[in-house]
Amino acid sequence: EPEVTQTPSHQVTQMGQEVILRCVPISNHLYFYWYRQILGQKVEFLVSFYNNEISEKSEIFDDQFSVERPDGSNFTLKIRSTKLEDSAMYFCASRGLPGEKLFFGSGTQLSVL
Amino acid sequence: GENVEQHPSTLSVQEGDSAVIKCTYSDSASNYFPWYKQELGKGPQLIIDIRSNVGEKKDQRIAVTLNKTAKHFSLHITETQPEDSAVYFCAARMGKLIFGQGTELSVKP
Repeated sequence: EPEVTQTPSHQVTQMGQEVILRCVPISNHLYFYWYRQILGQKVEFLVSFYNNEISEKSEIFDDQFSVERPDGSNFTLKIRSTKLEDSAMYFCASRGLPGEKLFFGSGTQLSVL
Repeated sequence: GENVEQHPSTLSVQEGDSAVIKCTYSDSASNYFPWYKQELGKGPQLIIDIRSNVGEKKDQRIAVTLNKTAKHFSLHITETQPEDSAVYFCAARMGKLIFGQGTELSVKP
C-alpha cells in the first residue's frame, strides 16, 4: 500500500536554529498538509497546500514557519528560528481528490533544547 | 469556532467487551468524519470513516454512527482484543480536518 514517508524520524536542535522537516507524499496526491501533536495532546492542523500554494493555515503557523514543494515529490516544513514550544511530533499528510481519505506519515519527533 | 469534543479521554475494558467513544462537532457544514488509531510512536492510521449522507457504517468489529441533527458521532468496537489498545482520535472535516482530544483505550486480557 502506498504511504507517506517522513524524514528524519527524530530531530534534535538548539533553540534559535532552523530545521527542515521532509515529507514524500503519496505520488498521485494533490493536497498536502502538516499537523503537529504536542506530547499527550490532540493532533493540531498547521497548514494545507495545493497547487503550489498555501490554501489554509492555522494561528500556529506564524512567520517562523514556511512550506515548500521544491520538486515533484518532496514537501517540506521549515521552522526558521525554533523555540522550546515547537517541540512536538510533526505529521505530514496527503490526499488525492477532494473528499478522499487523508493519509498520515509516521511523523518527525522534533526536540528543541 | 471550529471544535471537536471527544469523550472519554481514557477507557479501560476487558477483552471481549465492547468499547464506545463519542464525539461532538461544532460546524454543521462538516461532511466527513474519520476515525484514526494511533499506536505509540506512529502516525494516525485511518480505521473507518463516514460521510454526512450516511447514518451508520460497519467494518467487521468496528462501526461508526452519525447523528447530524445532534452533531455527534460515535465509534463502536465489539469483541475487543488486546491489540485494539491504542489512542483513538475522531475528526471532522470543516475544510481541513479538526481532531478530537483522543481516547486512550486499554483492553485488558
